[in-house]
Amino acid sequence: GDSVTQMEGPVTLSEEAFLTINCTYTATGYPSLFWYVQYPGEGLQLLLKATKADDKGSNKGFEATYRKETTSFHLEKGSVQVSDSAVYFCALSEKDTNAGKSTFGDGTTLTVKP
Amino acid sequence: EPEVTQTPSHQVTQMGQEVILRCVPISNHLYFYWYRQILGQKVEFLVSFYNNEISEKSEIFDDQFSVERPDGSNFTLKIRSTKLEDSAMYFCASKREGLQPQHFGDGTRLSIL
Repeated sequence: GDSVTQMEGPVTLSEEAFLTINCTYTATGYPSLFWYVQYPGEGLQLLLKATKADDKGSNKGFEATYRKETTSFHLEKGSVQVSDSAVYFCALSEKDTNAGKSTFGDGTTLTVKP
Repeated sequence: EPEVTQTPSHQVTQMGQEVILRCVPISNHLYFYWYRQILGQKVEFLVSFYNNEISEKSEIFDDQFSVERPDGSNFTLKIRSTKLEDSAMYFCASKREGLQPQHFGDGTRLSIL
């Protein structure tokens, strides 16, 4: 079955540091890939997405590139802020099924200190 | 921007009682989902619903669980006889079509005593 493996956390960075959160996936088909963010006490918000190989998703300074050859979708940000502190989930969704459920990674907790 | 809304935000129930979690998906969406997240763990798929029927369910979604779309706007998850291990955050999600991302509600925190 499908699976998503994320870099283990927690991750603690100083403000303005560079962020990478690794994500690799296993899928039977050709999935769409997503990063979701969960702020404390809140639901899941879509951060960015990519639907085909070499697509780059970007939003709020975050980027991730769909790498089919390495089955990866690593999340990066050049300069993190305290307000980026949250849990980040990598997820995939198969395109060619009616269900189209999402499979999530374990989540990576990011804490940014001033 | 349209949102998926879930009610209540927190539900406390005695073990063995029935509970119904409610969701109002985005109005022109066609695919509906329930997920759950036990505290500190990953988000797990429960069930997907399309064209007024279940399209896929996980092994978590046993006979104690059911879903309904009773009136064309609400999408409900019922747990018939709750257990302690049902305590979790339950998320509803919806999407318009296959390639679009799912939009999630803020979740209902279910606490079983």
